[in-house]
Amino acid sequence: DQQVKQNSPSLSVQEGRISILNCDYTNSMFDYFLWYKKYPAEGPTFLISISSIKDKNEDGRFTVFLNKSAKHLSLHIVPSQPGDSAVYFCAASQQTGANNLFFGTGTRLTVIP
Amino acid sequence: ETGVTQTPRHLVMGMTNKKSLKCEQHLGHNAMYWYKQSAKKPLELMFVYSLEERVENNSVPSRFSPECPNSSHLFLHLHTLQPEDSALYLCASSQRPGGGARDTQYFGPGTRLTVL
Repeated sequence: DQQVKQNSPSLSVQEGRISILNCDYTNSMFDYFLWYKKYPAEGPTFLISISSIKDKNEDGRFTVFLNKSAKHLSLHIVPSQPGDSAVYFCAASQQTGANNLFFGTGTRLTVIP
Repeated sequence: ETGVTQTPRHLVMGMTNKKSLKCEQHLGHNAMYWYKQSAKKPLELMFVYSLEERVENNSVPSRFSPECPNSSHLFLHLHTLQPEDSALYLCASSQRPGGGARDTQYFGPGTRLTVL
């Protein structure tokens, strides 16, 4: 059973607008969450992370929000740029068994110029 | 070469073949990983090596055999695979021995494997 879910396989956004990518998880023991970005023919690259002691982490145009009670996190990209078009993966882990990252299936973001 | 490289990028093999996937990291990292990504499924961790010792094996069938001769190289030896093993195989590395959740993993571009 998938412990990390990304229910939207794709998202299209106009350039300059906000992109919001969502992720839900089922394991309440997860305490660290990451977003990876993947371009075609390349491996995933780390984008931003958040620890469960925070509810928000910001890095430039990228902000991740964590709602522990809802077991939900989201990635906001503002403003969206065409170069942001990629597949975004959400991942989660817990302190114990720390080598294991649990990934979602990804959301393909298309930013329309 | 920089980062994490994988060869070959594409591989087609029959069920009776034996082949190997190669991963090399040029980052001076101490932990290396093999992941499998099947169509419409999430990435699944297969193996973790730390300082060339296998530290995790997520119940992977024995037809997949990893080898880590040194901290820069990781192989995945394949034999008598099944068509359902067709997938993208990704290698990753991270800095700290033992890896860990807070230890950012750097991925290679993957090998697209097709088993006929």
